[in-house]
Amino acid sequence: QQPVQSPQAVILREGEDAVINCSSSKALYSVHWYRQKHGEAPVFLMILLKGGEQKGHEKISASFNEKKQQSSLYLTASQLSYSGTYFCGTEGPNSGGSNYKLTFGKGTLLTVNP
Amino acid sequence: GAVVSQHPSRVICKSGTSVKIECRSLDFQATTMFWYRQFPKQSLMLMATSNEGSKATYEQGVEKDKFLINHASLTLSTLTVTSAHPEDSSFYICSARSQVTTYEQYFGPGTRLTVT
Repeated sequence: QQPVQSPQAVILREGEDAVINCSSSKALYSVHWYRQKHGEAPVFLMILLKGGEQKGHEKISASFNEKKQQSSLYLTASQLSYSGTYFCGTEGPNSGGSNYKLTFGKGTLLTVNP
Repeated sequence: GAVVSQHPSRVICKSGTSVKIECRSLDFQATTMFWYRQFPKQSLMLMATSNEGSKATYEQGVEKDKFLINHASLTLSTLTVTSAHPEDSSFYICSARSQVTTYEQYFGPGTRLTVT
């Protein structure tokens, strides 16, 4: 089941903040966040495994809610290099353990302008 | 960090021919490797999951005989697109999951396939 990402796109000026959400109708085993620049492969940002978990550093961090159905990625004081498409990949109830696989959301296009 | 390589990065082939794409985990052993397909401005669609020494598991709608996957070792998986057609043109990306850190998944740089 594909997770729902929002917003679809966001435009920022350098230094502004953004939040990208990823939600599922069922509890998840894990959420993985990636950033992909045009024509390149996705780059791993972080993974969240536990309900209530928060991870990352000052500039880029993420949270996983207690019910493990929603994750948010926080981009603080954005830089030009943050531009790209952000994907969340989720490991759901039917895709864990030996059936492990990630299902990716449709992505959020983030554009940071000077 | 974990590095996954993919070769070739770009390939152009004629309709009806076959193309092989290699995916290697360079500094770790991969329990599982994944093959994705991505159309422009779209999400990553999982095609198949391959485990070393066993048959690949294909997602619904993916033709096993057309997209042949071999996972010969813990560091190498190959995807062969057989009898390619223009509609097979796409960006193919592999990823690998470490045998040690079993949660993280790292992507290769991708292969742009164009079938003429």
